[in-house]
Amino acid sequence: EVQLVESGGGLVQPGGSLRLSCAASGFIFSNFWMQWVRQAPGKGLVWVSRINSPGTSTTYADSVKGRFTISRDNAKNTLYLQMNSLRAEDTAMYYCVGGWPQGNYWGQGTLVTVSS
Amino acid sequence: QSALTQPPSASGSPGQSVTISCTGTSSDVGGYNYVSWYQQHPGKAPKLIIYEVSKRPSGVPDRFSGSKSGNTASLTVSGLQPEDEADFYCSSYAGNSNLVFGGGTKVTVL
Repeated sequence: EVQLVESGGGLVQPGGSLRLSCAASGFIFSNFWMQWVRQAPGKGLVWVSRINSPGTSTTYADSVKGRFTISRDNAKNTLYLQMNSLRAEDTAMYYCVGGWPQGNYWGQGTLVTVSS
Repeated sequence: QSALTQPPSASGSPGQSVTISCTGTSSDVGGYNYVSWYQQHPGKAPKLIIYEVSKRPSGVPDRFSGSKSGNTASLTVSGLQPEDEADFYCSSYAGNSNLVFGGGTKVTVL
């Protein structure tokens, strides 16, 4: 069974940092391009970032470019999202997604709240 | 990276069909055959139901079908069932390794 389990979300002050993790199992993680997609409360899905299977190429949405960094450890079957200089508008559920450009596999999400 | 345009809501009675549009530009929907559709029930993660415009992942009922004409993609749900009531989102590859989603459509089964 495919599982993507996100962790690392929580309450953080504006300007702060968080590191999200996503533990993958049930599929060959190292073969899959991976993404992060977020969803603000009551709002739609927004693509955040993607990384290729070996971790050598990354892209970002304009809204997070320069502040967020996506990475992966294929030996640990884990995807990461380092989020710096957080803003109130970054408040959202963050989903770890396997596959590109379609999202074949989705985690249940981890909630990030940016507030003072 | 402008969002794709979807109608905010759609509805139909059980057994009927409903079609949702997803309008982009020649830089995304019109330029690539990488349109996907997702179904999201309240409080749940999205689920892939259509990829590459019209392909269905294993286990997705053939009541769900996708198509594209020019800069507009469409999702049709035939034979509506109560469990089809959900939010539906389209997405499209937008070049330069970017992706864009639609704003979402809430489907109500009357």
